[in-house]
Amino acid sequence: EAGVTQFPSHSVIEKGQTVTLRCDPISGHDNLYWYRRVMGKEIKFLLHFVKESKQDESGMPNNRFLAERTGGTYSTLKVQPAELEDSGVYFCASSQGTSGRTGQYFGPGTRLTVT
Amino acid sequence: GENVEQHPSTLSVQEGDSAVIKCTYSDSASNYFPWYKQELGKRPQLIIDIRSNVGEKKDQRIAVTLNKTAKHFSLHITETQPEDSAVYFCAAIRTNNDMRFGAGTRLTVKP
Repeated sequence: EAGVTQFPSHSVIEKGQTVTLRCDPISGHDNLYWYRRVMGKEIKFLLHFVKESKQDESGMPNNRFLAERTGGTYSTLKVQPAELEDSGVYFCASSQGTSGRTGQYFGPGTRLTVT
Repeated sequence: GENVEQHPSTLSVQEGDSAVIKCTYSDSASNYFPWYKQELGKRPQLIIDIRSNVGEKKDQRIAVTLNKTAKHFSLHITETQPEDSAVYFCAAIRTNNDMRFGAGTRLTVKP
C-alpha cells in the first residue's frame, strides 16, 4: 500500500511569489490534514479535510493560505504571496477513522524556504 | 483549544539507560494520545498510542502511561539504543479528529 506522498520535496521561492504544495493521501482515507513545522518548534495544525469538506481550518495563519481538496482525493495548499515567516516544513497526514481515535500517517513533508 | 506541553526539549542518555518524556494537555475532552518519532530528514512515524480508557500500554521497549485526572501522559523507552535517537512528539486528539502536538523532545542516545 502506498503511503502519503507530497510534492515537491523542497521549494525555494522569493518573498511575494506563489507556491502550491500537493498532498496525495493514502487511498481510501477520508481524513486529510495539513501541518507546519517551523525549525525547532512544534508541529502545528493548519487544517483538516473530511473528503472534500473543510472540517476545521482554525490553524490557517491568514488569508494568504488556501487549501483545496476537490473530489476528496489529493489536496493542494497554496501560499500567495509568500512571506519570510512562511518558511518551514509542511506535512500532510491522512487517516481512515471517523471517530478521531486513530493514528495519522504522515507524508515526507515539503521544505519551503522563502527568501 | 487544546494546549500540549512537552518536556524536556532535549534529552541525552547513555546507551542502555532509560529515557522518559512527559506531556501535559489542557482539554479534558481529549481521548487519544499518539506518540510520533521523527528521524532526521524523515517523516513523523507513529510509534505507540494510548486511548483514554487505559492507563498504560507497552510495546517491547516502549511504554506509554496516561493519567487522565492529572492530564498528563509519558513515553518510556527502556534499554535505549543509538537508533532511538530522534525527535519525539506527543499529541492529544479530541473526538473531532484534530490533533495538537507538543513541541518535541530531541533524544540523543550515546553509544
